[in-house]
Amino acid sequence: SAVISQKPSRDICQRGTSLTIQCQVDSQVTMMFWYRQQPGQSLTLIATANQGSEATYESGFVIDKFPISRPNLTFSTLTVSNMSPEDSSIYLCSVGGVSYEQYFGPGTRLTVT
Amino acid sequence: GDSVTQMEGPVTLSEEAFLTINCTYTATGYPSLFWYVQYPGEGLQLLLKATKADDKGSNKGFEATYRKETTSFHLEKGSVQVSDSAVYFCASGGSNYKLTFGKGTLLTVNP
Repeated sequence: SAVISQKPSRDICQRGTSLTIQCQVDSQVTMMFWYRQQPGQSLTLIATANQGSEATYESGFVIDKFPISRPNLTFSTLTVSNMSPEDSSIYLCSVGGVSYEQYFGPGTRLTVT
Repeated sequence: GDSVTQMEGPVTLSEEAFLTINCTYTATGYPSLFWYVQYPGEGLQLLLKATKADDKGSNKGFEATYRKETTSFHLEKGSVQVSDSAVYFCASGGSNYKLTFGKGTLLTVNP
């Protein structure tokens, strides 16, 4: 399985600002995914990020709020824009495996004050 | 659409007790099924998987069998340890490459 790292691991941000989260994989992968996990909740898919194409967003998530870049097969970024306290969550990236499984990064714990 | 329903927690057991966490799914076609574990303050780790009916996934003493007739994938372990305390997520995945997660079950194992 791939080794995935995320930066930052945690951050405290003021409302109205933006934060960019980086996801780095130790091997080339086609499909990368970004999730949000609100406190005590399950995971919600934000978008699928494939290299060379625009990210595909799930219902309830829009590009203006969560712009995503995927410049190559080992790296992606998610930006949380114009943050509010409701954006306080853990944000996780993942990569697809051969049997539809996904492997997850350690997550970025975001607190918005 | 696809959905996954798993046993609501929290579940509290004594060390060496038997564990079952129930999981059922609805999906078009025949999805792959997964159990993930999330230890406190960490990301999700794939615990085990099964890709077709009657497959048994196993890892670290945990097992789950893909039951097509009951659309279930229950997680079991014969003797839990304190170190098994975590949140467990059941998930299904298919040809759209997306995962559908259950709500998670918090397991606490006391010494």
